[in-house]
Amino acid sequence: GENVEQHPSTLSVQEGDSAVIKCTYSDSASNYFPWYKQELGKGPQLIIDIRSNVGEKKDQRIAVTLNKTAKHFSLHITETQPEDSAVYFCAAPNYGQNFVFGPGTRLSVLP
Amino acid sequence: GAVVSQHPSWVICKSGTSVKIECRSLDFQATTMFWYRQFPKQSLMLMATSNEGSKATYEQGVEKDKFLINHASLTLSTLTVTSAHPEDSSFYICSARQASPGYGYTFGSGTRLTVV
Repeated sequence: GENVEQHPSTLSVQEGDSAVIKCTYSDSASNYFPWYKQELGKGPQLIIDIRSNVGEKKDQRIAVTLNKTAKHFSLHITETQPEDSAVYFCAAPNYGQNFVFGPGTRLSVLP
Repeated sequence: GAVVSQHPSWVICKSGTSVKIECRSLDFQATTMFWYRQFPKQSLMLMATSNEGSKATYEQGVEKDKFLINHASLTLSTLTVTSAHPEDSSFYICSARQASPGYGYTFGSGTRLTVV
């Protein structure tokens, strides 16, 4: 099945700086990659996703880039704010059925 | 957008009792729903796939007799933790797969189960 790795496991940035989280996947047939944000005690919320027919997608301060050849995709958050502090999970399809999640990255934005 | 409602948000129960968690898709039909478990500071682990009108498919290591899943309608799936023990204490999250326009999941808000 699909194997998803995610780095770093923890990330601390100063408010206003950028944050980058990277994920790698194993199944070259995977074609859809979502990113989720989970705040303490809550369920994950989809923040951005990308399909394999594009290399980059942007939504305000959040962007995702995809390198299909290298089988990795990254989440970019610019001008970070304290409310961006959360755990972020990437995911990749598992045989097109369910999803396999990365282990998560705990982002702390320091004021 | 698609909304998945999960109840209760938290529950405390005594060892040996059963707890039912509901997951409803509010504005779309979900032929497939998924149940995940998340232990503290860990990622989401798929427990089972719930298919409307048929038996759930459980992941390896998940006891089907302990975690009963029912998907009786296109908008409701339930997870019942039977004879709960303290080691079952965890954060349980459901999600529903949107048939259109893409492969995205919508997650419920989660249920924190504490067994005492």
